Amino acid sequence: DAGVIQSPRHEVTEMGQEVTLRCKPISGHDYLFWYRQTMMRGLELLIYFNNNVPIDDSGMPEDRFSAKMPNASFSTLKIQPSEPRDSAVYFCASSLKLAGTDTQYFGPGTRLTVL
Amino acid sequence: AQKVTQAQTEISVVEKEDVTLDCVYETRDTTYYLFWYKQPPSGELVFLIRRNSFDEQNEISGRYSWNFQKSTSSFNFTITASQVVDSAVYFCALSEAVLNDYKLSFGAGTTVTVRA
Repeated sequence: DAGVIQSPRHEVTEMGQEVTLRCKPISGHDYLFWYRQTMMRGLELLIYFNNNVPIDDSGMPEDRFSAKMPNASFSTLKIQPSEPRDSAVYFCASSLKLAGTDTQYFGPGTRLTVL
Repeated sequence: AQKVTQAQTEISVVEKEDVTLDCVYETRDTTYYLFWYKQPPSGELVFLIRRNSFDEQNEISGRYSWNFQKSTSSFNFTITASQVVDSAVYFCALSEAVLNDYKLSFGAGTTVTVRA
């Protein structure tokens, strides 16, 4: 079975540009999570969805960040406009049920560099 | 407040040595879940184990073993006879109910380097 798929794996962009990260969760999983990993802050939950509906976006750093899940097999995380401090590895994860009762499986991550 | 503390930032061992990674967590819930993930140099996060708060049995999986002690709020991880391929960052994580919702909190990670 395919795991969580993320694209692109690497993204280099210039400050002010729009960046879109993509994720395909494991088929049948009801929950999808977006995380950000930095050296300073470690792994942080940005937002998560249940059955395509955003449940908690309290971790989204600011209005420049937005996430959508138009269907059960696709989600996007968009940064507009991007800033150098957004440079990080962004992970998407999915779980069959909510984290407390099931395991989150992570994608390979997207390494974002904003110049 | 830090919910998951991994006091060891880095551990370096020689191949075949055992290595134990400490994880101390903090929660007021009686129902919670603990996880360990491995992040090798390639960057992906690999799930290793999940344990709920009602199951205090230690677990062994090959060279990996986990010691869960509720009395000390610890969930330690031991790699026996370490190998170079075990070199990675290992994260301990806690899932607890927050306002009727569960969220996963990660520790800062422990970098393990196994030298040949």
